[in-house]
Amino acid sequence: AQSVSQHNHHVILSEAASLELGCNYSYGGTVNLFWYVQYPGQHLQLLLKYFSGDPLVKGIKGFEAEFIKSKFSFNLRKPSVQWSDTAEYFCAVNARRRDSSYKLIFGSGTRLLVRP
Amino acid sequence: EAGVTQSPTHLIKTRGQQATLRCSPISGHTSVYWYQQALGLGLQFLLWYDEGEERNRGNFPPRFSGRQFPNYSSELNVNALELEDSALYLCASSLRYEAFFGQGTRLTVV
Repeated sequence: AQSVSQHNHHVILSEAASLELGCNYSYGGTVNLFWYVQYPGQHLQLLLKYFSGDPLVKGIKGFEAEFIKSKFSFNLRKPSVQWSDTAEYFCAVNARRRDSSYKLIFGSGTRLLVRP
Repeated sequence: EAGVTQSPTHLIKTRGQQATLRCSPISGHTSVYWYQQALGLGLQFLLWYDEGEERNRGNFPPRFSGRQFPNYSSELNVNALELEDSALYLCASSLRYEAFFGQGTRLTVV
């Protein structure tokens, strides 16, 4: 069955530290990849997305993610986190099914706490 | 362009009652996803509707059900409410690729 795994459920960092959140998926077909963020008290919003082309994608607020097809991974990175990055981060995969419809699958999320 | 709208914003029910949550997708979007976000448990997939049909459901009991209407709006019904059903219920709509989320319905079961 298709699935998305986020390795870290909770991450605590100090400001200016570097961030890398892991995401692996299990699906051999065509996929589109996403990272969503949910700031405290706000709704989920798109951080960045990968459809095709350059496997290194840049999103809002200095975030980037790298798609490594051979590893079925789409890790999220930020060189220097800020207190305002405290949020929950979700990796998602949109997998193309045999009938050409797309099924969206989310990881369980990673809660990031950035200490000032 | 209007985003995904969910109603009501808050809902308080007593144990054993039924709750109905509604979702209006972005115009043109045919897929609707429902998720439960309980405290500390991340996003738990509930249901996926596409083109009026239920495509998949998560690991939830049958008292969680729903439907999608011809205009692609959707309804989530939770019967025989239990205290642990208290959570934020999120709806997302999608055409093919990325999903857009609503603000959610906060269901509290007392």
